[in-house]
Amino acid sequence: AQKITQTQPGMFVQEKEAVTLDCTYDTSDPSYGLFWYKQPSSGEMIFLIYQGSYDQQNATEGRYSLNFQKARKSANLVISASQLGDSAMYFCAMREGPGNTPLVFGKGTRLSVIA
Amino acid sequence: DTAVSQTPKYLVTQMGNDKSIKCEQNLGHDTMYWYKQDSKKFLKIMFSYNNKELIINETVPNRFSPKSPDKAHLNLHINSLELGDSAVYFCASSQIGAQPQHFGDGTRLSIL
Repeated sequence: AQKITQTQPGMFVQEKEAVTLDCTYDTSDPSYGLFWYKQPSSGEMIFLIYQGSYDQQNATEGRYSLNFQKARKSANLVISASQLGDSAMYFCAMREGPGNTPLVFGKGTRLSVIA
Repeated sequence: DTAVSQTPKYLVTQMGNDKSIKCEQNLGHDTMYWYKQDSKKFLKIMFSYNNKELIINETVPNRFSPKSPDKAHLNLHINSLELGDSAVYFCASSQIGAQPQHFGDGTRLSIL
C-alpha cells in the first residue's frame, strides 16, 4: 500500500487565487512528520512546510499552510494568493518515527498558475 | 553558502562505464541520504548514513556503492552503468528531530 497518496497529478489555478493540494498518508507509527517540498523546472527540491504528528496547531509559513486532519490522515497544502512563480511540482513526504529516517514521497502534483 | 552541494550537476556517459557523484554538506548534520528520482519524477530512498555508518540500503543493486569518509561527505559510486540508471540523483542531509531534510540540487545522469 502506498504510504503517501497525492491524487491530483496536475492542477491549474488563477493568479492571486488560493489552491489546495491534497495529500493522504498511511502509517501505524504514532510519531511521524509530514513535509511539503516544491520542485521548480530548474530541478532543485525546496522545503516549504513541516507538520509533526503531535503538533496541535496547523503549520503555517508565509503563504503556505498545512491543513492537518489527523483522524482522516490528510495533510493538504494550501497556497494563498498564487503567483506565477508557484508553478512547479509539489511533493508531500512523510518521515516515520522520531529519528532520522528517510522520507517517503508521494508521486507529486504539478501546479500551473495562470495569469 | 551552499548547504548541500553535489557534483557534477550533469553526467553523460556510456553503458558499462563507472562513475561517481560527490556530495558535501556544511550544516553539521549527522545523517545523509541518497535518493533517486526516475523519469516520472518519483523520488525514492536509496541509502541512508548516520555518522558515517550505513543505516539503510533499500534493495539497491550492489553496483551502487556509497562511501562516507566523514559525516559531512557521502559519495555515490556506480559500476557498470546500465540504461535504467538514467535518473536524477539527490543527496540530502538532516539532523534528528523536526528538522527538514535539505537537498542538493541533484545530479542528472544520462546513459547513452
